[in-house]
Parts: sequence; C-alpha cells; structure tokens
Amino acid sequence: QSVLTQPPSVSGAPGQRVTISCTGSNSNIGAGYDVHWYQQLPGTAPKLLIYGDTNRPSGVPDRFSGSKSGTSASLAITGLQAEDEADYYCQSYDSSLTTLYVFGTGTKVTVL
Amino acid sequence: QVQLQESGPGLMKPSETLSLTCAVSGYSITSGYYWGWIRQPPGKGLEWIGSIFHTGSTYYNPSLKSRVTMSVDTSKNQFSLMLNSVTAADTAVYYCARHMGGTHCFDPWGQGTLVTVSS
Repeated sequence: QSVLTQPPSVSGAPGQRVTISCTGSNSNIGAGYDVHWYQQLPGTAPKLLIYGDTNRPSGVPDRFSGSKSGTSASLAITGLQAEDEADYYCQSYDSSLTTLYVFGTGTKVTVL
Repeated sequence: QVQLQESGPGLMKPSETLSLTCAVSGYSITSGYYWGWIRQPPGKGLEWIGSIFHTGSTYYNPSLKSRVTMSVDTSKNQFSLMLNSVTAADTAVYYCARHMGGTHCFDPWGQGTLVTVSS
C-alpha cells in the first residue's frame, strides 16, 4: 500500500494544461525529502521526468514542471500533446522505515 | 550512455527462489552510486525492492527484507537479486535502475523482465 496518493486519472485536450497531485505526509514529502516524477509510456520502463522537486533531466521538454508545498507535490504538463499519454508516478523517501523509498499510486494521463 | 539489462527465468513455480541479474554497460558500477531493483505487478504500481553499493552494502524494503538478498559482481559489472519462497504475489515486471545519490531518484532504468509465478 503506497503512502503517496495520486489521482487515478486526469485528462485534457491537446494544448491544454493538466496537473497531477502527489499527496504524502510528514514522514516523506512534508519532511522535506525530494520528490521525483517518472513517465511510463505503454509497455515501457519508467523514465525520470523531474528530479529534486523541480529539476528536468537533459532532454525533457520544459512543458513538464514540478512543484512542492507542505505534504504535497505536483506535476504540471502544459501544451498537452498526444505523446504525453502515459502513466505518471511520483517518488520520495519515507523516514517511517516501512518502505524507505516510496512511489505514488500512479496517474493515467489521457489526451482527449 | 548508461544502459541496464535485466535477465531472469521468466516462469517460476511457488516456493522457488527467484534469481535476476542486471548487466550494466557504459558505466562502471565501482565509480559510485547505488544500484536498485524495483518491481511492478501487472496493471499495478511500482514497489522498491532494495539497493546495493559496489562494496556490497545493501538496504532493503522492510516488507521484503526477510526474503531478499542482493549481490554485486564488479568483474562482470553487474548486480543481482535473489527472492526466496516466491508466490503468485511476486508475479511482476522486475526493473533494475541506477539509484542516484543525493536526490535518491532512479535513473536510468532497464527495460524490465516479466517474472510469472504459477504452479
């Protein structure tokens, strides 16, 4: 059972902006631990999209951005494109010693 | 660039021991970083299994710790996962990934290997 909660799905038309929330607690996001985001295209391995809350690895379009506040984090996709249709997962560290490195429940982004 | 490739049995029977290997190319595992295993049951989310340093130092997910052993072979630039007493609940795609120090994110990932546990 994941300790990071995400909405099961979000959708938007091409060109629109969508956001995905990642809600944690005071033992993970709220404790200041970094939040990372991964994109998993159908049938492929996850790919790092955002690291350290807000940073994009080389090659990731600036349409993707991350933010964090309190016990939650968010991933925003602006100018939504058909190739953004994928599953997205947040990830952080949890100091409660139940799992240490935790992933979110995952969000399916659908481009209408 | 860094590439990781998992290899494993594919199909197993309950109570057997799962053994997977991750071959790393384009980067020496002795140069730093931890190296991790993550799994994903079909249609479900991601679960961190454990991570290992090239010295053999390990840390495991507490929920799996009693069944997990990880090792590293620096001469072959690869690391391995063993999971004993498998059940159908261990059916998943198993990924290996570089576990970045500092931020503790995982990048890059291998393509994954499906392990099915069935009698």
